Amino acid sequence: GNSVTQMEGPVTLSEEAFLTINCTYTATGYPSLFWYVQYPGEGLQLLLKATKADDKGSNKGFEATYRKETTSFHLEKGSVQVSDSAVYFCALIPSGGYQKVTFGTGTKLQVIP
Amino acid sequence: DTEVTQTPKHLVMGMTNKKSLKCEQHMGHRAMYWYKQKAKKPPELMFVYSYEKLSINESVPSRFSPECPNSSLLNLHLHALQPEDSALYLCASSQVMQGSTDTQYFGPGTRLTVL
Repeated sequence: GNSVTQMEGPVTLSEEAFLTINCTYTATGYPSLFWYVQYPGEGLQLLLKATKADDKGSNKGFEATYRKETTSFHLEKGSVQVSDSAVYFCALIPSGGYQKVTFGTGTKLQVIP
Repeated sequence: DTEVTQTPKHLVMGMTNKKSLKCEQHMGHRAMYWYKQKAKKPPELMFVYSYEKLSINESVPSRFSPECPNSSLLNLHLHALQPEDSALYLCASSQVMQGSTDTQYFGPGTRLTVL
């Protein structure tokens, strides 16, 4: 079956620090990969996505590259802000029509001033 | 516009009450989903509707009853819930495109507390 593994949190960083949240996956075929963000007390927001190998998704200064050879989709940001404090979920959806999302366990990010 | 709306935002109910959660999208999406999210956990899929027909039921207890009255609306009817059903209930929607992957867009959720 499909699975997504994320680094354990919480991750605590100072403002303007570099962020990496690791994500690796196991899946058959060619899934699409996603990062969702959940701010405290809110629903999930799509942060970025990549649908094929070597694609780079980017949004709001965050980036992630679909690496099929290492089955990874690590999330990076060059300079985090306090407002980036949230829980980040890596996810995959198999190809072909509507499908069940497989989520990672989530990584909580705390950015301190 | 990638907005999914949900009402109410918060709901407190007793174990004998009957209540409904509502979800709406106007993106022309033909698949809609209900998820349950417990604290510090990822969302868990409950139901999937595709073209207003129930496609997936993840062995959810019958005290949860979904309904999709049209392509824009999704309801979740609640009856005789248990305190362990307290959670954030998320609605999502996606297009249904054969041969490609459908991105799911989530609503803000309904925070349900069962007393």
